[in-house]
Amino acid sequence: DQQVKQNSPSLSVQEGRISILNCDYTNSMFDYFLWYKKYPAEGPTFLISISSIKDKNEDGRFTVFLNKSAKHLSLHIVPSQPGDSAVYFCAARAGSSNTGKLIFGQGTTLQVKP
Amino acid sequence: KAGVTQTPRYLIKTRGQQVTLSCSPISGHRSVSWYQQTPGQGLQFLFEYFSETQRNKGNFPGRFSGRQFSNSRSEMNVSTLELGDSALYLCASSAGGRGWDTQYFGPGTRLTVL
Repeated sequence: DQQVKQNSPSLSVQEGRISILNCDYTNSMFDYFLWYKKYPAEGPTFLISISSIKDKNEDGRFTVFLNKSAKHLSLHIVPSQPGDSAVYFCAARAGSSNTGKLIFGQGTTLQVKP
Repeated sequence: KAGVTQTPRYLIKTRGQQVTLSCSPISGHRSVSWYQQTPGQGLQFLFEYFSETQRNKGNFPGRFSGRQFSNSRSEMNVSTLELGDSALYLCASSAGGRGWDTQYFGPGTRLTVL
């Protein structure tokens, strides 16, 4: 039972345009969501997070939107740059007693073309 | 501040052997979590240690174990290695509080079982 799903295995966008990566979840106990970026043979790098009490969080070129009723979140990257090309993982936590336990989606490979 | 460090970075073992991986968290972080990444299963949570105690556990067999020392450094052990244990093993650290705590990952240990 996959509780966090990233249904698009890959996404290709032109440099300067917006990249939108999507994530759906099924567990209503999830209260904290994070996005990580990963290059091959490296550990994931934290990008941005959002708690369930918010519906939007912004950090520079990265914005995460949370729609709790739809159990959906998305990561917007504007403008996209070639260096953003990587695998992006959505992750979720089920409650403050599980701060060290993240459930990850399968990842979306983003390619930004110059 | 130094990031999460993992040693060794690469390891080759044969079936039936055991292996120990090491993780040093970010200074001041008290929670250490371990994850396994494989192409088929993605990133899966193994266990979390906080103040030398296992706080959360994933769905892995008992061959996978860990411990945490008083300086928050952690080790993960896999006994009786199987071919399917070949994976990237990632360690992540966080402050360990009950709030909106973010995990930061190390570069990983690539384990190959022959």
